[in-house]
Amino acid sequence: DAKTTQPPSMDCAEGRAANLPCNHSTISGNEYVYWYRQIHSQGPQYIIHGLKNNETNEMASLIITEDRKSSTLILPHATLRDTAVYYCIVRVGSGNTGKLIFGQGTTLQVKP
Amino acid sequence: NAGVMQNPRHLVRRRGQEARLRCSPMKGHSHVYWYRQLPEEGLKFMVYLQKENIIDESGMPKERFSAEFPKEGPSILRIQQVVRGDSAAYFCASSPQGNRPGDEQFFGPGTRLTVL
Repeated sequence: DAKTTQPPSMDCAEGRAANLPCNHSTISGNEYVYWYRQIHSQGPQYIIHGLKNNETNEMASLIITEDRKSSTLILPHATLRDTAVYYCIVRVGSGNTGKLIFGQGTTLQVKP
Repeated sequence: NAGVMQNPRHLVRRRGQEARLRCSPMKGHSHVYWYRQLPEEGLKFMVYLQKENIIDESGMPKERFSAEFPKEGPSILRIQQVVRGDSAAYFCASSPQGNRPGDEQFFGPGTRLTVL
């Protein structure tokens, strides 16, 4: 599975959009980009995933560049409860065991 | 619709004792993953099981650790002769299919193991 690079920490003002970047320059054609978050040592929570098209769900939007070498997770209106460690993971869609390889992630601090 | 359940939530053991961690996947899920998070570190994959089969144990320490997922009942992660370095949070995740796109893993709340 390809390696990802994320900034170690970011701040965001409450009510503003939080944009979390991720570089995955060695991503392969069959690898998906997944985002999870971990709030205060709880179990990780799935947020969103995508292959090459932009994706949106009730939690967030995922923007993937055309060359797929980087992506951005967008939390449109961050709240204090969004303070967490956010993990960007690339994973082969099928043909492997589906295990998740977590990096160090980005610690997002949402401030009032 | 209950989520992934893990018990106990906290477990204290003395060095040399055995630890048994249980994971009940979400209803309808037949794939279970175990991850370990050492203090101040990220999550590390340990093992992936389907019912009655170990599919990938590439992250399991070679000694003292074992896992099972019987036909009936929860998945069990067993640590024999625990040492202080085993102190960590152990998370279980389940998924319906295992490795298909969009087949996200749902995590339990974790078991915090403390070895005295």
